[in-house]
Amino acid sequence: AQSVTQPDIHITVSEGASLELRCNYSYGATPYLFWYVQSPGQGLQLLLKYFSGDTLVQGIKGFEAEFKRSQSSFNLRKPSVHWSDAAEYFCAVGPHQGGKLIFGQGTELSVKP
Amino acid sequence: SAVISQKPSRDICQRGTSLTIQCQVDSQVTMMFWYRQQPGQSLTLIATANQGSEATYESGFVIDKFPISRPNLTFSTLTVSNMSPEDSSIYLCSVADRNTEAFFGQGTRLTVV
Repeated sequence: AQSVTQPDIHITVSEGASLELRCNYSYGATPYLFWYVQSPGQGLQLLLKYFSGDTLVQGIKGFEAEFKRSQSSFNLRKPSVHWSDAAEYFCAVGPHQGGKLIFGQGTELSVKP
Repeated sequence: SAVISQKPSRDICQRGTSLTIQCQVDSQVTMMFWYRQQPGQSLTLIATANQGSEATYESGFVIDKFPISRPNLTFSTLTVSNMSPEDSSIYLCSVADRNTEAFFGQGTRLTVV
């Protein structure tokens, strides 16, 4: 079965601390992987994506993610979190860039001063 | 990137009634999708809106409950029919082409009372 798992429902980090959000996937074909962010009352904004090539990808707002095929993981990281990063983060997988997506459950990030 | 206008942004509806949500894109796109995000949950794909033909529904979603139209490459509607409180969700329109990532509208927050 195709699925995406985000094990952490809610994470709280201090401003300036590093962040890692976990994502594991199960997908029959070559996966196209995405991280989206959803701020309260907003739609989804793409942070970064991975299709092939360098397994460490850079995104917007200082985020990066590392694809590890052996672990079926695509974890999102940020070296130093800002208060404005507080939001819901979704990992997603699809058959190609523009295909229908399977989303993880989401991780809510809180940032404390 | 595509600019998506989704209307209404929110609504409160009586049970047993229907609501039609509109999704307008500022450019022609190949694919349009409708997702549902139930309170505190992730996004679940309802259907793929096909231009000029019947939508393709995911398991658990049926045309009688969620009729979809897509008369052209820039516009689609989703109707939530015979609503019950369980239909209270955020409904999101998404657009993509095969070689671009998916873009999302701001969503329609529906409350059924």
